[in-house]
Amino acid sequence: KQEVTQIPAALSVPEGENLVLNCSFTDSAIYNLQWFRQDPGKGLTSLLLIQSSQREQTSGRLNASLDKSSGRSTLYIAASQPGDSATYLCAVGGGLTGGGNKLTFGTGTQLKVEL
Amino acid sequence: ETGVTQTPRHLVMGMTNKKSLKCEQHLGHNAMYWYKQSAKKPLELMFVYNFKEQTENNSVPSRFSPECPNSSHLFLHLHTLQPEDSALYLCASRGGGGQPQHFGDGTRLSIL
Repeated sequence: KQEVTQIPAALSVPEGENLVLNCSFTDSAIYNLQWFRQDPGKGLTSLLLIQSSQREQTSGRLNASLDKSSGRSTLYIAASQPGDSATYLCAVGGGLTGGGNKLTFGTGTQLKVEL
Repeated sequence: ETGVTQTPRHLVMGMTNKKSLKCEQHLGHNAMYWYKQSAKKPLELMFVYNFKEQTENNSVPSRFSPECPNSSHLFLHLHTLQPEDSALYLCASRGGGGQPQHFGDGTRLSIL
């Protein structure tokens, strides 16, 4: 059974700092890995999707890497801003069939960027 | 505008009530999902529908009954719920294999 762990559970940083959020998973037979952000009282917003054959994806100030063999992914946020404050969730698309239909989520990292 | 709309946003019901949650997407996606998000726990996948057919039931109690009349609409019918069923219920949809899932803002359910 796939298990996803995110460290740290919470993080507080000053504005402008670069930061790294970590995600680890126990079963390396994944289809893809997706990073989301969730604002309080809201649903999930997809940030980046990395296919199992890829090593990284970038969007603006965000960069996500994937190391399947070690069961790890990192989300790098450059020049953090107060608007980045949210909970960041990592989700692993399971199975080599079904197109990663089933996502297994971590419990998230709650990020606060302070002025 | 997320493309996935859930109603109602908030619902308070007694344990003997019957209510339904609704999810609608106009993204042209073929797969739809129900998730449960409880405090301090990871999102739990409940049901998956592909092309209106249920392809996954993650050992969900029968007091939760999903319905998918077409690829754009998904319902979750609720009856005789328990206090531990209080949670945020999220709907998602997805296009083809390997595409990202898109989520609605959820229904916050409270069971009295």
